Amino acid sequence: AQKVTQAQTEISVVEKEDVTLDCVYETRDTTYYLFWYKQPPSGELVFLIRRNSFDEQNEISGRYSWNFQKSTSSFNFTITASQVVDSAVYFCALSENTGRRALTFGSGTRLQVQP
Amino acid sequence: DTGVSQDPRHKITKRGQNVTFRCDPISEHNRLYWYRQTLGQGPEFLTYFQNEAQLEKSRLLSDRFSAERPKGSFSTLEIQRTEQGDSAMYLCASSNRAGGQGTQYFGPGTRLLVL
Repeated sequence: AQKVTQAQTEISVVEKEDVTLDCVYETRDTTYYLFWYKQPPSGELVFLIRRNSFDEQNEISGRYSWNFQKSTSSFNFTITASQVVDSAVYFCALSENTGRRALTFGSGTRLQVQP
Repeated sequence: DTGVSQDPRHKITKRGQNVTFRCDPISEHNRLYWYRQTLGQGPEFLTYFQNEAQLEKSRLLSDRFSAERPKGSFSTLEIQRTEQGDSAMYLCASSNRAGGQGTQYFGPGTRLLVL
């Protein structure tokens, strides 16, 4: 069975600090996909990134970067120079290539960026 | 480009009443998903459509829940004889490919409160 664990329930930082959100996953499939979504106070889930299991290259998009390590089954998300607008709940999710096609989400990490 | 829309955005009902929610996916997306999210948790999968066919249902989808996608476009989720435990955010997502090969884009959700 697939599982996603986000051990950090809540993180509070001061603006301009860097912050890393952890995600650990479990799956039996060799082909799978990992995602990060942002849920601001408005409630809508906003897609941030999708990564397949064969692509272990780290990705950077502006202040956001992702570190995928199959050896430790982790897909961590770093925000550099955090801003107040980054305050939200962030979800990591997993989709296997066979069987269930839906996303399995972690329980989320609430990030509060203080001015 | 129109995103996923959901109606209503909020619904308050009394225990025992029936409620129906609507989801309009992104127009070219043939896959549609329903999720439920309770406070402090990640979204949990309820059911999945490919075109008009309902291909998968979660064990969370009790007999009181029914979902349809009659013409392969919009979808409805009905809850009969609502219970207080049904209070949650109901999220709809759509994609153009199966599983993780397609990114799921989410609507704003319908927040249900059962009194």
